[in-house]
Amino acid sequence: DADVTQTPRNRITKTGKRIMLECSQTKGHDRMYWYRQDPGLGLRLIYYSFDVKDINKGEISDGYSVSRQAQAKFSLSLESAIPNQTALYFCATSPGGAGDTQYFGPGTRLTVL
Amino acid sequence: AQSVTQLGSHVSVSEGALVLLRCNYSSSVPPYLFWYVQYPNQGLQLLLKYTSAATLVKGINGFEAEFKKSETSFHLTKPSAHMSDAAEYFCAARGGGYQKVTFGTGTKLQVIP
Repeated sequence: DADVTQTPRNRITKTGKRIMLECSQTKGHDRMYWYRQDPGLGLRLIYYSFDVKDINKGEISDGYSVSRQAQAKFSLSLESAIPNQTALYFCATSPGGAGDTQYFGPGTRLTVL
Repeated sequence: AQSVTQLGSHVSVSEGALVLLRCNYSSSVPPYLFWYVQYPNQGLQLLLKYTSAATLVKGINGFEAEFKKSETSFHLTKPSAHMSDAAEYFCAARGGGYQKVTFGTGTKLQVIP
Protein backbone atom coordinates (compact mmCIF):
# COMPACT_ATOMS: atom_id res chain seq x y z
CA ASP A 1 0.00 0.00 0.00
CA ALA A 2 1.11 3.55 -0.72
CA ASP A 3 2.52 5.54 2.19
CA VAL A 4 0.80 8.78 1.17
CA THR A 5 -2.63 8.59 -0.42
CA GLN A 6 -4.81 11.29 -1.88
CA THR A 7 -8.51 11.24 -2.69
CA PRO A 8 -9.96 11.87 -5.16
CA ARG A 9 -7.36 11.38 -7.88
CA ASN A 10 -9.35 13.37 -10.39
CA ARG A 11 -12.17 15.86 -9.91
CA ILE A 12 -14.12 18.11 -12.21
CA THR A 13 -16.28 20.72 -10.56
CA LYS A 14 -18.01 24.00 -11.31
CA THR A 15 -17.23 27.54 -10.29
CA GLY A 16 -18.55 28.35 -6.83
CA LYS A 17 -18.65 24.78 -5.54
CA ARG A 18 -16.96 23.73 -2.30
CA ILE A 19 -14.34 21.05 -2.77
CA MET A 20 -12.35 19.00 -0.28
CA LEU A 21 -9.19 17.10 -1.12
CA GLU A 22 -8.04 14.55 1.39
CA CYS A 23 -4.61 13.22 2.28
CA SER A 24 -3.70 10.31 4.50
CA GLN A 25 -0.27 8.97 5.44
CA THR A 26 1.02 5.85 7.13
CA LYS A 27 4.61 7.04 7.54
CA GLY A 28 4.09 8.38 11.06
CA HIS A 29 5.40 11.82 10.12
CA ASP A 30 4.40 14.94 12.02
CA ARG A 31 4.89 17.34 9.10
CA MET A 32 2.39 17.56 6.25
CA TYR A 33 2.09 19.90 3.27
CA TRP A 34 -0.21 20.88 0.44
CA TYR A 35 1.24 22.09 -2.87
CA ARG A 36 -0.19 22.99 -6.23
CA GLN A 37 1.67 22.39 -9.47
CA ASP A 38 1.12 24.50 -12.57
CA PRO A 39 3.10 24.17 -15.80
CA GLY A 40 6.18 26.39 -15.74
CA LEU A 41 5.64 27.41 -12.13
CA GLY A 42 6.87 24.34 -10.33
CA LEU A 43 5.42 23.53 -6.93
CA ARG A 44 3.99 26.27 -4.77
CA LEU A 45 3.20 25.76 -1.11
CA ILE A 46 -0.39 26.35 -0.07
CA TYR A 47 -0.41 25.32 3.61
CA TYR A 48 1.79 23.30 5.91
CA SER A 49 1.50 21.75 9.34
CA PHE A 50 4.40 20.73 11.57
CA ASP A 51 2.16 18.93 14.04
CA VAL A 52 -1.54 18.44 14.74
CA LYS A 53 -1.93 21.79 16.50
CA ASP A 54 0.23 23.76 14.06
CA ILE A 55 -1.14 25.17 10.79
CA ASN A 56 0.74 27.70 8.67
CA LYS A 57 -0.01 29.57 5.47
CA GLY A 58 2.25 29.04 2.53
CA GLU A 59 2.90 31.38 -0.36
CA ILE A 60 -0.49 31.00 -2.07
CA SER A 61 -3.08 30.32 0.67
CA ASP A 62 -5.79 32.75 -0.52
CA GLY A 63 -8.94 30.85 -1.47
CA TYR A 64 -7.87 27.72 0.39
CA SER A 65 -8.28 26.36 3.92
CA VAL A 66 -6.98 23.23 5.65
CA SER A 67 -7.83 20.93 8.50
CA ARG A 68 -5.41 18.64 10.34
CA GLN A 69 -7.76 16.05 11.77
CA ALA A 70 -5.06 13.76 13.12
CA GLN A 71 -1.36 13.14 12.68
CA ALA A 72 -2.17 11.02 9.64
CA LYS A 73 -4.78 13.23 7.95
CA PHE A 74 -4.55 16.66 6.34
CA SER A 75 -7.40 18.00 4.20
CA LEU A 76 -7.43 20.91 1.78
CA SER A 77 -10.66 22.79 1.05
CA LEU A 78 -11.58 25.20 -1.69
CA GLU A 79 -14.51 27.11 -0.20
CA SER A 80 -15.72 28.50 -3.51
CA ALA A 81 -13.79 27.08 -6.44
CA ILE A 82 -12.74 29.33 -9.32
CA PRO A 83 -11.24 28.38 -12.71
CA ASN A 84 -7.71 29.56 -11.89
CA GLN A 85 -7.61 26.92 -9.15
CA THR A 86 -7.47 24.31 -11.89
CA ALA A 87 -4.18 22.55 -11.18
CA LEU A 88 -2.48 19.41 -9.95
CA TYR A 89 -2.49 19.25 -6.14
CA PHE A 90 0.04 17.28 -4.12
CA CYS A 91 0.12 16.33 -0.49
CA ALA A 92 3.49 15.56 1.11
CA THR A 93 4.83 14.48 4.49
CA SER A 94 8.24 14.72 6.12
CA PRO A 95 9.81 13.52 9.36
CA GLY A 96 11.63 16.72 10.31
CA GLY A 97 15.28 16.77 11.28
CA ALA A 98 18.34 17.27 9.11
CA GLY A 99 17.56 17.08 5.42
CA ASP A 100 13.86 16.44 6.06
CA THR A 101 13.02 14.56 2.86
CA GLN A 102 9.46 15.04 1.65
CA TYR A 103 7.34 12.09 0.54
CA PHE A 104 4.67 12.92 -1.99
CA GLY A 105 1.27 11.49 -2.72
CA PRO A 106 0.22 10.67 -6.30
CA GLY A 107 -1.61 13.96 -6.79
CA THR A 108 -5.16 15.12 -7.43
CA ARG A 109 -5.98 16.66 -10.78
CA LEU A 110 -8.65 19.30 -10.20
CA THR A 111 -10.52 21.04 -12.99
CA VAL A 112 -12.82 23.95 -12.22
CA LEU A 113 -15.18 24.83 -15.05
CA ALA B 1 14.19 33.53 2.29
CA GLN B 2 15.42 30.85 -0.04
CA SER B 3 15.09 31.05 -3.78
CA VAL B 4 15.95 28.33 -6.27
CA THR B 5 16.68 28.87 -9.96
CA GLN B 6 16.74 26.09 -12.51
CA LEU B 7 18.26 27.09 -15.84
CA GLY B 8 16.37 25.62 -18.76
CA SER B 9 12.77 24.48 -18.52
CA HIS B 10 13.44 21.82 -21.18
CA VAL B 11 16.64 19.89 -21.84
CA SER B 12 17.12 17.32 -24.60
CA VAL B 13 19.96 14.81 -24.70
CA SER B 14 20.71 11.78 -26.81
CA GLU B 15 20.59 8.36 -25.23
CA GLY B 16 24.05 7.65 -23.81
CA ALA B 17 25.02 11.33 -23.57
CA LEU B 18 25.85 13.29 -20.43
CA VAL B 19 22.93 14.73 -18.51
CA LEU B 20 23.51 18.11 -16.84
CA LEU B 21 20.65 19.91 -15.12
CA ARG B 22 21.51 23.23 -13.50
CA CYS B 23 20.37 24.58 -10.15
CA ASN B 24 21.43 27.69 -8.26
CA TYR B 25 20.18 28.75 -4.87
CA SER B 26 20.33 31.94 -2.89
CA SER B 27 20.92 31.82 0.80
CA SER B 28 22.89 33.55 3.48
CA VAL B 29 23.72 30.21 5.06
CA PRO B 30 24.39 26.83 3.46
CA PRO B 31 21.04 25.17 3.06
CA TYR B 32 19.87 21.63 2.70
CA LEU B 33 19.54 20.89 -1.02
CA PHE B 34 17.48 18.30 -2.85
CA TRP B 35 16.78 16.94 -6.29
CA TYR B 36 13.41 15.32 -6.87
CA VAL B 37 12.17 13.52 -9.99
CA GLN B 38 8.61 13.36 -11.27
CA TYR B 39 7.69 10.69 -13.78
CA PRO B 40 4.52 11.19 -15.83
CA ASN B 41 1.32 10.98 -13.80
CA GLN B 42 3.19 10.45 -10.56
CA GLY B 43 4.18 12.41 -7.48
CA LEU B 44 7.72 13.58 -6.81
CA GLN B 45 10.31 11.24 -5.38
CA LEU B 46 13.72 12.01 -3.92
CA LEU B 47 16.77 11.50 -6.13
CA LEU B 48 19.38 12.77 -3.72
CA LYS B 49 20.01 15.35 -1.01
CA TYR B 50 22.86 17.40 0.43
CA THR B 51 22.96 17.80 4.21
CA SER B 52 26.44 19.35 4.75
CA ALA B 53 28.37 16.09 4.72
CA ALA B 54 30.21 15.24 1.48
CA THR B 55 29.91 17.89 -1.23
CA LEU B 56 29.51 15.24 -3.94
CA VAL B 57 26.24 13.46 -3.36
CA LYS B 58 25.30 10.21 -5.08
CA GLY B 59 21.67 9.36 -5.63
CA ILE B 60 19.52 6.72 -7.19
CA ASN B 61 19.62 5.62 -10.85
CA GLY B 62 23.22 6.78 -11.36
CA PHE B 63 22.60 10.47 -10.69
CA GLU B 64 24.89 12.65 -8.64
CA ALA B 65 25.16 16.32 -7.69
CA GLU B 66 27.93 18.51 -6.40
CA PHE B 67 27.44 21.27 -3.85
CA LYS B 68 29.61 24.28 -4.72
CA LYS B 69 29.29 26.98 -2.10
CA SER B 70 31.39 29.52 -4.03
CA GLU B 71 29.02 29.23 -6.99
CA THR B 72 25.84 28.66 -4.93
CA SER B 73 25.15 25.75 -7.26
CA PHE B 74 23.92 22.18 -6.97
CA HIS B 75 23.91 20.84 -10.52
CA LEU B 76 22.62 17.34 -11.26
CA THR B 77 24.58 15.04 -13.56
CA LYS B 78 24.48 11.54 -14.97
CA PRO B 79 27.26 10.25 -17.24
CA SER B 80 25.01 8.36 -19.66
CA ALA B 81 21.35 9.09 -20.25
CA HIS B 82 18.84 6.29 -20.48
CA MET B 83 15.40 6.45 -22.04
CA SER B 84 13.90 5.82 -18.60
CA ASP B 85 15.43 9.09 -17.34
CA ALA B 86 12.85 11.11 -19.27
CA ALA B 87 10.97 12.98 -16.55
CA GLU B 88 10.72 16.36 -14.88
CA TYR B 89 13.39 17.22 -12.32
CA PHE B 90 13.01 19.68 -9.47
CA CYS B 91 15.74 21.26 -7.39
CA ALA B 92 14.74 22.35 -3.88
CA ALA B 93 16.35 24.08 -0.92
CA ARG B 94 15.60 24.45 2.77
CA GLY B 95 17.26 26.29 5.60
CA GLY B 96 17.62 24.82 9.05
CA GLY B 97 15.08 24.33 11.79
CA TYR B 98 11.44 24.88 10.89
CA GLN B 99 12.02 26.57 7.55
CA LYS B 100 9.96 25.31 4.65
CA VAL B 101 11.26 23.90 1.38
CA THR B 102 11.43 26.10 -1.73
CA PHE B 103 11.21 24.38 -5.10
CA GLY B 104 12.57 25.47 -8.43
CA THR B 105 10.30 25.63 -11.46
CA GLY B 106 11.47 22.30 -12.83
CA THR B 107 13.36 21.03 -15.89
CA LYS B 108 11.82 18.52 -18.26
CA LEU B 109 14.39 16.09 -19.57
CA GLN B 110 13.82 14.53 -22.97
CA VAL B 111 16.01 11.60 -24.01
CA ILE B 112 16.30 11.10 -27.75
CA PRO B 113 16.94 7.56 -29.03
